[in-house]
Amino acid sequence: DAKTTQPTSMDCAEGRAANLPCNHSTISGNEYVYWYRQIHSQGPQYIIHGLKNNETNEMASLIITEDRKSSTLILPHATLRDTAVYYCIVSPGNTGKLIFGQGTTLQVKP
Amino acid sequence: EPEVTQTPSHQVTQMGQEVILRCVPISNHLYFYWYRQILGQKVEFLVSFYNNEISEKSEIFDDQFSVERPDGSNFTLKIRSTKLEDSAMYFCASIDPGQSLRPQHFGDGTRLSIL
Repeated sequence: DAKTTQPTSMDCAEGRAANLPCNHSTISGNEYVYWYRQIHSQGPQYIIHGLKNNETNEMASLIITEDRKSSTLILPHATLRDTAVYYCIVSPGNTGKLIFGQGTTLQVKP
Repeated sequence: EPEVTQTPSHQVTQMGQEVILRCVPISNHLYFYWYRQILGQKVEFLVSFYNNEISEKSEIFDDQFSVERPDGSNFTLKIRSTKLEDSAMYFCASIDPGQSLRPQHFGDGTRLSIL
């Protein structure tokens, strides 16, 4: 089973920041937080990952709480093309399988 | 940017028939995976493959399933005798072990429809 809990769905206005929360209270010390998204029925797309420090790349920012029990993915200026299912996954960051939960369906509205 | 490619995009097969789904991982990647997603459900891990052998498999990956890397580029998933419940999207993924923390790169999937 997935080790994360996410809201089922969220809405966001186009151009505004989308903040997607994730709870991972049982995360182990060697596990990273990964975010993927799935647009329509395409293959999952890697977004970002982090261990304990906040991370930013060209797609998004990841904020991880100090106790590492939760995190937030931030899409700074959401567009209609960001409408997708977003998955928060904890993993040791090696070459093992990914365990997907149900994710959060983000609907970006005009 | 290099991509994982999967063929065909849609496969329709009669129940009981064998089906082979094909994937071309990114060229320097060494770890390969198959996942499936039944319509409306979550993405499920099937099998991982490294150094020409299965590294890990799930309970879904029973004797009806097999994987193969027949040459240096293709990675295939075979279902020997398909069942109605095998209808799903099948995703191939690969990892570059030299890339930091190794995010998995996914193809866009093959939609398998069993009639």
